Amino acid sequence: SQQGEEDPQALSIQEGENATMNCSYKTSINNLQWYRQNSGRGLVHLILIRSNEREKHSGRLRVTLDTSKKSSSLLITASRAADTASYFCATDPSPRMYSGGGADGLTFGKGTHLIIQP
Amino acid sequence: DGGITQSPKYLFRKEGQNVTLSCEQNLNHDAMYWYRQDPGQGLRLIYYSQIVNDFQKGDIAEGYSVSREKKESFPLTVTSAQKNPTAFYLCASSMQGRNTEAFFGQGTRLTVV
Repeated sequence: SQQGEEDPQALSIQEGENATMNCSYKTSINNLQWYRQNSGRGLVHLILIRSNEREKHSGRLRVTLDTSKKSSSLLITASRAADTASYFCATDPSPRMYSGGGADGLTFGKGTHLIIQP
Repeated sequence: DGGITQSPKYLFRKEGQNVTLSCEQNLNHDAMYWYRQDPGQGLRLIYYSQIVNDFQKGDIAEGYSVSREKKESFPLTVTSAQKNPTAFYLCASSMQGRNTEAFFGQGTRLTVV
C-alpha cells in the first residue's frame, strides 16, 4: 500500500519562483526522504530527514517534517527550468514489517509533477 | 564509476513468456530492491533482499520471482502469471541499517506485445 500522498499532483510556476510540495503519510516513520525523477529515468535522492528532526536544508532545498501531523514539505527556492521533474516523498516505516504488505524498503507516494516555465 | 546498472533499457515480451530483468551494483550494498512504476503513479515494492541467498516479498510479488546468488546481482523474472506486466521497473540498492538513502538504476521499460 502507498503511504505517502503528495500535494499538489501537478505544479507549474515561472522560473525564479519558489515551489512548495507537500507530503502526508499514515504510520510512524524512521525517516522521510525526497526523490526526484526526470521523465523516463531512475530516481535520484535529494534529502533525508529523520523522525527527530524538524527542518533540513540542502542548497536550494528546504524540507520540514511535522510528525504530529504526519506531514512534510519540500521547498525549492529560486526555481530553474532544470528543476522540471517529478518529486516523490518516501517513508521508511517504524517498526519495519517483514510479512505481507508494508515489507521492508521505502514506501513512495504518487509524486508531484513540477513544471518550471522559462 | 560506482553505481547500479539495469538492462535492458527497453524490453518487449509476448503473451505467455517469462522475461528476466538484470540489475547489477558495484556499491557494495547489502540491500537490493525491485519496484514497479505505472504511468502517473508512485513506486510499488515487488521484492527486496537484505543479504545474499535471502529475499522477501513486497506489496505486489505475485507473478514475479527473484534470486540473490551474488551480492552484486538481483535479477527479476516477470512470469507469465503476471497479468499486467507492462510497466517501468526500477532496481535500487542501499546500505544496511536505518536512515540510509536508496540508489536507483535507470529503469527497464517492459511492454507486452
